[in-house]
Amino acid sequence: AQSVTQLDSHVSVSEGTPVLLRCNYSSSYSPSLFWYVQHPNKGLQLLLKYTSAATLVKGINGFEAEFKKSETSFHLTKPSAHMSDAAEYFCVVSDNTDKLIFGTGTRLQVFP
Amino acid sequence: ETGVTQTPRHLVMGMTNKKSLKCEQHLGHNAMYWYKQSAKKPLELMFVYSLEERVENNSVPSRFSPECPNSSHLFLHLHTLQPEDSALYLCASSQGLGSYEQYFGPGTRLTVT
Repeated sequence: AQSVTQLDSHVSVSEGTPVLLRCNYSSSYSPSLFWYVQHPNKGLQLLLKYTSAATLVKGINGFEAEFKKSETSFHLTKPSAHMSDAAEYFCVVSDNTDKLIFGTGTRLQVFP
Repeated sequence: ETGVTQTPRHLVMGMTNKKSLKCEQHLGHNAMYWYKQSAKKPLELMFVYSLEERVENNSVPSRFSPECPNSSHLFLHLHTLQPEDSALYLCASSQGLGSYEQYFGPGTRLTVT
């Protein structure tokens, strides 16, 4: 069975400093992995997607994630946080059937 | 309108009421989904439709009844709900099943009194 673990429920950073949101996955297959963001009172928006092409995936709003098979990780990073990045972030793995398996989310706070 | 839209955005209903949530996708996708998002819980997949056929029903109580009249529209009919059903209900669509990314609507915030 596939699963995903987001290692931090909350992350706080200062504006202009780097962001690191951690995600580990478990998969029997070559997985597809996603990061979604959810701003307050909004639906989920796709940030980026990995599907066994380049291991470093660039997404929207300056975010990127690196697929590391040896570490079963897919951490999300951004060099410099902006106030508008404050939101809930979800790491997601696909089991290649009809389901996306969602992590429990990481709430990112950005302080001025 | 573009993307995935949901109406209403907010709904308050009593336990004896009947109401429906509506979802419409303008992306030409073939699969549609209902999710429930409760506080402190992972996103829960409720129903999956592909080409208007239900392919997944994740042990959802019968007081939730989905309907997919065509590939662009998805409804969730609600009756005799319980207070614990209060949550954000999200609709999503994707090009197909499998590893395709899903596009989400803004959700309906449901409160059952």
